[in-house]
Amino acid sequence: DVKVTQSSRYLVKRTGEKVFLECVQDMDHENMFWYRQDPGLGLRLIYFSYDVKMKEKGDIPEGYSVSREKKERFSLILESASTNQTSMYLCASSPVEPEAFFGQGTRLTVV
Amino acid sequence: AQSVTQLDSQVPVFEEAPVELRCNYSSSVSVYLFWYVQYPNQGLQLLLKYLSGSTLVKGINGFEAEFNKSQTSFHLRKPSVHISDTAEYFCAVKSNTGGFKTIFGAGTRLFVKA
Repeated sequence: DVKVTQSSRYLVKRTGEKVFLECVQDMDHENMFWYRQDPGLGLRLIYFSYDVKMKEKGDIPEGYSVSREKKERFSLILESASTNQTSMYLCASSPVEPEAFFGQGTRLTVV
Repeated sequence: AQSVTQLDSQVPVFEEAPVELRCNYSSSVSVYLFWYVQYPNQGLQLLLKYLSGSTLVKGINGFEAEFNKSQTSFHLRKPSVHISDTAEYFCAVKSNTGGFKTIFGAGTRLFVKA
């Protein structure tokens, strides 16, 4: 079974803090994604990566950056957390085939 | 550009009743279509997918969906639901001519009552 692991299920951070969300997949997938999920808005793509050290902006990249130094790991960074970044963050990976495999999600609260 | 519309934000239904969750999409290119399910406090799990071939697709947990190209729809159905089907369901579309982005609908919350 494909496993996508997000380092934290729940996080509480203060406004202005630098926040790291980590995601690891164990199936050697080329593509990895970070989404945020908000009620009534579905999933919105923040960033994705199709190879090591390669990254592309998604639909809502403002306030975020990413890092992919190794194929299995894709990190999402909030440079200076703000309350409007309180959300559920979902990491996903996919092979050449189009379906995606998701992690359990990280519920981030910024206070 | 592609978009996905899930026509119902919430669907309450009694146990053992049939259910249909509606999904319409728009796209200028051919697409792959997906339904994902999210149980409380979990990530998304693939229910079923349409890539090509038969327009009636069967998935896990007794769900099926029918791709209707002329109506640009991909509605999800189950003939008899269980309490355990209570979850949020997401319809998604991805271009089959290349590209990496999957577009998700806003989700439909299915609530199965005893």
